[in-house]
Amino acid sequence: ETGVTQTPRHLVMGMTNKKSLKCEQHLGHNAMYWYKQSAKKPLELMFVYNFKEQTENNSVPSRFSPECPNSSHLFLHLHTLQPEDSALYLCASSFMTGAVTNYGYTFGSGTRLTVV
Amino acid sequence: QKEVEQDPGPLSVPEGAIVSLNCTYSNSAFQYFMWYRQYSRKGPELLMYTYSSGNKEDGRFTAQVDKSSKYISLFIRDSQPSDSATYLCAMSANYGGSQGNLIFGKGTKLSVKP
Repeated sequence: ETGVTQTPRHLVMGMTNKKSLKCEQHLGHNAMYWYKQSAKKPLELMFVYNFKEQTENNSVPSRFSPECPNSSHLFLHLHTLQPEDSALYLCASSFMTGAVTNYGYTFGSGTRLTVV
Repeated sequence: QKEVEQDPGPLSVPEGAIVSLNCTYSNSAFQYFMWYRQYSRKGPELLMYTYSSGNKEDGRFTAQVDKSSKYISLFIRDSQPSDSATYLCAMSANYGGSQGNLIFGKGTKLSVKP
């Protein structure tokens, strides 16, 4: 298991349901990210948090609502999703400085979401 | 034109073959280039990174960057079945990654047959 843990691993939800994805990192990183990975598409950045503060919202629909209570935990709250939201949702963490290169992003294993 | 282009494959090779994976890009400001490897049912993991142009070698893996052609490559020598995974290129113009400015390719699915 990596230093970034995501739960649940799989989630099936109806369009009227409300659910939450959880991410926890044990690496002492201070930046956390949500990415969406769909088949035959590049990874899509959704949200970025630095020291618990949201620094980027990449034009994500309001049916996705992130929450970052501290530097180690990140949530993605889901409500009234659409079938096209079915994808693998990946959480990642990094150090805030020099993160792209020296240390890279550490990804969790993702939550496979299916909206029915 | 998309910012980063990567052939999704799939690419199937016999064990021991030399594998060449490639990405092209359009943004001349990109300076930091990375390769991530993603096994099935796992998240991507950083495999290699290079800064600006040139080569970098790590064991059986060699990363090359040709900024003049806006083209990056990852070579795998003596490929093994354990190398079977999806390989994603990623690149950035800025050193600090916390702004979420890492741009990924679609990934190439590689299968190495015993």
